[in-house]
Amino acid sequence: EPEVTQTPSHQVTQMGQEVILRCVPISNHLYFYWYRQILGQKVEFLVSFYNNEISEKSEIFDDQFSVERPDGSNFTLKIRSTKLEDSAMYFCASRGLGKSYEQYFGPGTRLTVT
Amino acid sequence: DAKTTQPNSMESNEEEPVHLPCNHSTISGTDYIHWYRQLPSQGPEYVIHGLTSNVNNRMASLAIAEDRKSSTLILHRATLRDAAVYYCILSPYGGSQGNLIFGKGTKLSVKP
Repeated sequence: EPEVTQTPSHQVTQMGQEVILRCVPISNHLYFYWYRQILGQKVEFLVSFYNNEISEKSEIFDDQFSVERPDGSNFTLKIRSTKLEDSAMYFCASRGLGKSYEQYFGPGTRLTVT
Repeated sequence: DAKTTQPNSMESNEEEPVHLPCNHSTISGTDYIHWYRQLPSQGPEYVIHGLTSNVNNRMASLAIAEDRKSSTLILHRATLRDAAVYYCILSPYGGSQGNLIFGKGTKLSVKP
C-alpha cells in the first residue's frame, strides 16, 4: 500500500537555525499539506499546496515558514529561523484529485529546538 | 469552520462495540463529516466520512442523525489496536482545499 514518508524522523536544532523537513507524498496525489502538533496539544493545520502554489495557510504559517516542491516528488517545509516554540511534531499529508475527504498522513518529524 | 463537540475520553472492553458520539449543531448543508484517528506516536489516519446517509467500510460505520446535527462512529468489535484519539471533523466538499481542522477528539481506551 502506498504511503507518505518523512525525513528525518527526529531533528534537533539550535534556536535561530534553519531547518528543512522533507516529505515524499504518494506519487499520484496532487494536494499536499503540512500540519504540526505540539506535545500534548491538538493537530494544527499549517498550509496546503496545489499546482505548485500555496492554496491556503493558517495564522501559524508566517514569513518564517515556506514550502516547496522542488523536484516533482519531494515536498519540503522550511523554517528559516527556528524558535523554541517551533518544537513540535510536523506531519505531511497528501490526497488525490477529487478525494477531499481522505488525506494520507506521514509518520511525522519530531523537531526539537534548543 | 463549523465546530464539533466530542467527549474527552471513553473506555471500552476488547471485542465489544464502541459508539463514539459527535455533536455538530452548526453544520452546513455542504459539510461532510469526517472521522480520523491518531494512534499513539503516529500521524492521523482516515477512518470514514459521510454526508447524509449512514456509511460502512472495513474499519467502521458512521451513523448520521436525520437532522445532521450529530453523528456516531461505530467500531463493531474493539481491539487493543483501536486505542487512539478519534477526531470528528467537518469540511465542506471542495472548500478550503480539504485542509482539516482538528479538535481535541475523544481518547478511546480499550481494556483487555
